[in-house]
This record gives sequence, C-alpha cells and structure tokens, in this order.
Amino acid sequence: DQQVKQNSPSLSVQEGRISILNCDYTNSMFDYFLWYKKYPAEGPTFLISISSIKDKNEDGRFTVFLNKSAKHLSLHIVPSQPGDSAVYFCAAQPSTSGTYKYIFGTGTRLKVLA
Amino acid sequence: EPEVTQTPSHQVTQMGQEVILRCVPISNHLYFYWYRQILGQKVEFLVSFYNNEISEKSEIFDDQFSVERPDGSNFTLKIRSTKLEDSAMYFCASIQGITDTQYFGPGTRLTVL
Repeated sequence: DQQVKQNSPSLSVQEGRISILNCDYTNSMFDYFLWYKKYPAEGPTFLISISSIKDKNEDGRFTVFLNKSAKHLSLHIVPSQPGDSAVYFCAAQPSTSGTYKYIFGTGTRLKVLA
Repeated sequence: EPEVTQTPSHQVTQMGQEVILRCVPISNHLYFYWYRQILGQKVEFLVSFYNNEISEKSEIFDDQFSVERPDGSNFTLKIRSTKLEDSAMYFCASIQGITDTQYFGPGTRLTVL
C-alpha cells in the first residue's frame, strides 16, 4: 500500500546546482502535500507545503510544484548547498482523514557535493 | 523556538517486555500523533490523539499499543509486550490547530532483542 512514492532513494548534486526531488501519489483524495527534511538522529523538520488548489509554492531556495493530473509533485532546491544534504520526505494529507494524519513516502537521500 | 521533546533517545528492551516512550508536545498544542519508521522504510502513522482520546489509529496500532496523556504535558506510547518487529524509530508530533503543519520530536530509537 504505497500511496506516496519516492522512486529515487538517493540523489547527488554539485553545490550550486539545482536539486530536483520527485514524489508520486496514487490517492486523488490527497489535498495537501508537504516536504520534510530529516538529518540523522533528528526528527523530520517541515520545509515547504502546497495545497491542491495551487500548482506552485516558493520559499526562498525551495519551490514545490504540483501536477494534479499526473499525481506528481517535485521539490526544487536552487542553488543547492552542502547543508541541504539530508533525507527528504514527501508527505500527503488526505482530505478524508478527520485527524489530518500524514502519509509519507520512503524518502530520498540528497547529497550535495562541495 | 518551542520544540517537541522525546525521551529516552534510545531504548533497548527484551522481547516480551513493556516499554513506555515519552513525548512532551509543544505546550499550546492540542493534537498529538505517534509515527514510526522501521530502518530504511517510510515514516508510518500509528495514532492520533485529541481531547484525551484516540481520534484515529492505523492497522499497526493493535491491542499491544496504547497512548495516554497522563498529566496535561506528557504524551506517552506504551507497547505492552514488545516484539522484534517493533524495533524502529518512534516519532511524536503535535499541532496547535488542525490546519497547522506537524512539529516532530527527535525520535526514540527502540531496539527489541
């Protein structure tokens, strides 16, 4: 039951270049999407989110794009910095969940090379 | 900045033993969650808690699991009789209002031997 999929377990990018992390989902009842970043031995920290009524949300170096028809979202980090090296989780929130739980993907480990 | 805290950071236990994982959510938050992450896998929802009762639980959250908010600040997850497959990172999260994003604690690594 993989409702949220991150098909790339890892990604390496040179410092200063763009990092693109992808996420696919299967449930059309998801109406809110988030990206969390996780460093080793720490909990996930919120990065950026997007509502299903939008197709883009930007916050500094981070931009999330949502393609509802393709059930796909992506996180762009530009320019990438070594401190961005972490595991990135895509998460979705189903509108049918009264408790607003999150359903997470398996994560993509980003390594930004100096 | 306020944060969610969890204790202990690492708990080692023997199979069949009971464990209690503790969380202190952010003080004015009202909704509380437990998630877990088995090594190398995704973060999975276990249970949500609001107004002193469970509001939703996953299939993973069987009769061996229970949650409690014993004193208005702590939020605990109890596993009554641990199994090897309970070995995972357990994350607590909280939010003030339903439209907020969830704040996660640093996690407790549970190792069942």
